[in-house]
Amino acid sequence: QQQVKQSPQSLIVQKGGISIINCAYENTAFDYFPWYQQFPGKGPALLIAIRPDVSEKKEGRFTISFNKSAKQFSLHIMDSQPGDSATYFCAASRANNNDMRFGAGTRLTVKP
Amino acid sequence: DSGVTQTPKHLITATGQRVTLRCSPRSGDLSVYWYQQSLDQGLQFLIQYYNGEERAKGNILERFSAQQFPDLHSELNLSSLELGDSALYFCASSHGQGTAGELFFGEGSRLTVL
Repeated sequence: QQQVKQSPQSLIVQKGGISIINCAYENTAFDYFPWYQQFPGKGPALLIAIRPDVSEKKEGRFTISFNKSAKQFSLHIMDSQPGDSATYFCAASRANNNDMRFGAGTRLTVKP
Repeated sequence: DSGVTQTPKHLITATGQRVTLRCSPRSGDLSVYWYQQSLDQGLQFLIQYYNGEERAKGNILERFSAQQFPDLHSELNLSSLELGDSALYFCASSHGQGTAGELFFGEGSRLTVL
C-alpha cells in the first residue's frame, strides 16, 4: 500500500546546514501534500503543506518544492537546528481527505 | 496538545488475546483515522470513519475492526493478537470531508504483545 515513497531513511546534518527530504507519489488523484514532524513519544504534527496549483511554499525556514509532472515533492529545512531533530513524514491525500497515505519517514539528526 | 485523546497509552498483553483502543477526536471533528506505526516503519493507514460511517480502508487485517459511535469517539478492536501486532497505534481526526486538510494526531497507544 506504499503509494508515497520517501528518502532518505535517515539524515545527519550539521547545525546551520540544509536538510533535504524527498518524496514521490503514484496516484495522480492526490491533491494535498503535507509534511508532518514527529518527536519521540509524540504524535505527528503538521509542519507545512502544499496543493498542486503552486510549485513552492515557504514558511520560515521550511520550504516545500513541488513538481507535478514528475510526481515528486521535497522538504527543505534551511539553517537546520538541533531542535529540528525529529522524524519527518511526507503524505498525500485526495481532495476529500480520505485515505491520507504517508511515506516511511526520515529520521533527521542535526548535530550542534 | 492536539485535542485528540487516546487511551490507553500503554498496553501489554499476550498472544491470542483481544484489546480495544479508544480515541476521542477533537471537538467538532467528524472524521477519525487509525494508523499503525511499527518500529522504524512509517504510518500504515488502517481505516477512516466519517460521522459514524466507514469511508476508506487500508490494509487492515481481518482480525482488526473499528467503529465510530454517535458521540464520534472511535474504537479499534484487535483480536487473536500476534507478536507482529506490537506497534504504536495512532488515531487522528479532521473536520471532515471537502477540501483535504490537516489531520490532528493523538499521542498514540503503544501495544506490546508477548
